[in-house]
Amino acid sequence: DAKTTQPPSMDCAEGRAANLPCNHSTISGNEYVYWYRQIHSQGPQYIIHGLKNNETNEMASLIITEDRKSSTLILPHATLRDTAVYYCIVRDYNNAGNMLTFGGGTRLMVKP
Amino acid sequence: EAGVAQSPRYKIIEKRQSVAFWCNPISGHATLYWYQQILGQGPKLLIQFQNNGVVDDSQLPKDRFSAERLKGVDSTLKIQPAKLEDSAVYLCASSSRWNQPQHFGDGTRLSIL
Repeated sequence: DAKTTQPPSMDCAEGRAANLPCNHSTISGNEYVYWYRQIHSQGPQYIIHGLKNNETNEMASLIITEDRKSSTLILPHATLRDTAVYYCIVRDYNNAGNMLTFGGGTRLMVKP
Repeated sequence: EAGVAQSPRYKIIEKRQSVAFWCNPISGHATLYWYQQILGQGPKLLIQFQNNGVVDDSQLPKDRFSAERLKGVDSTLKIQPAKLEDSAVYLCASSSRWNQPQHFGDGTRLSIL
C-alpha cells in the first residue's frame, strides 16, 4: 500500500470550514483515497472515498489533486461533534486481500 | 439499518487467561474484519473473512489468537493465553463486498492485569 502523511493535529473554529490535508505521493493507479474518522470511544466511521475526481456527500467533500499525490477533506461547517481523529488511507481497489492500513491520522479539535 | 454489533463492550482479565469476543456484522455483508487498536495508534488488521473463508490472516498472532466465522455471519475472536501487550480495543468491521467501505462496531476494550 502507498503510505500517507497527515499533520498530527489541527484546530478549527466552530462553523468554519475544516480542511484536512493528506499527502500520498506514491499512490498508484488502482488505489483509491479513503477517509474515515474516529470519535472518542467509538469505532471508525467511513466518510468518503474517491479515485481522481472530486467527490461530495452529505458529510464532506474530497478534493484530489490532478496528479493524485495529495488530497484534502473538507468539512464545510464544522461542529463540535466533528472533533475526532481523521484517517486518510489509500487502498488498491482491485486487490481483494489488500487491507486498510491506518496511520496516525489527524486529531481535529473543533473549538467554540 | 442496524450497525455492527460487538460484545462484550469491556473485558478485564488476568494474564494467561482466555477471552473471546463476538461480532454480528450488518445483515448481508459478506466481508468481515477484526482489527486491534492499541491506545494512541490507528487500528491494525488482524484477519479478514470473505463469507466463512479467510482472505488474510498474515498479521494474526496465530500462537495465541484464533478467529472463526463458521456460518458466514457471526464471528468470534479468541485469545488464549492473553499477554499484557494484548491490552487494546478489538474492533469488528463488515462490508457488503471486499472493495466497499467498511462499517465498524464500537469495539471491545480489553484490559489485561
